[in-house]
Amino acid sequence: GAVVSQHPSWVICKSGTSVKIECRSLDFQATTMFWYRQFPKQSLMLMATSNEGSKATYEQGVEKDKFLINHASLTLSTLTVTSAHPEDSSFYICSATGEGGETQYFGPGTRLLVL
Amino acid sequence: AQSVTQPDIHITVSEGASLELRCNYSYGATPYLFWYVQSPGQGLQLLLKYFSGDTLVQGIKGFEAEFKRSQSSFNLRKPSVHWSDAAEYFCAVGLTGGGNKLTFGTGTQLKVEL
Repeated sequence: GAVVSQHPSWVICKSGTSVKIECRSLDFQATTMFWYRQFPKQSLMLMATSNEGSKATYEQGVEKDKFLINHASLTLSTLTVTSAHPEDSSFYICSATGEGGETQYFGPGTRLLVL
Repeated sequence: AQSVTQPDIHITVSEGASLELRCNYSYGATPYLFWYVQSPGQGLQLLLKYFSGDTLVQGIKGFEAEFKRSQSSFNLRKPSVHWSDAAEYFCAVGLTGGGNKLTFGTGTQLKVEL
């Protein structure tokens, strides 16, 4: 149980284009989803927290207009990197918790390369 | 602000040897405590967690961790390491009433020598 998937697993795009990453909870209802960014050989940096049906809460320093997060259903959250630039290249990981749950279950991550 | 410290960036052990990965946290109350493992290019897998109760927690893959309130520590242990345990290990802390947000340590890279 508690499986989280991400799609795509990796994506290459041209600078200036937008990229959408999906995060799905496969066997539970995710009331809260989290989006992280991880640089090589570094820890995870929380970007934002999203609750189903609500606007995402962004961490300080994260551009909400650049990283659009939508959590339209209890099993799906999306992260859209708008007008991507090479510095947005990174490993993006989502996680999810169920109702009343304190445990985050992580997706396999999406590697984004912006050329 | 709360913080999580993993003092060992890299650890190398021989296969079959015992392992202890250190984790210290700074927070006034007892937080929720987690250990996750990450293989290269992968997401994080939950090894074990501590919320309350017995301070010795058993996890998957033969791992265990002990919560020591007096030392603000939550060290991860395994009595006999397997080559497949080579990975990055992250300690994480969550706050009661903190909206389930986690603070991660910087990670410890484990290398296993055959």
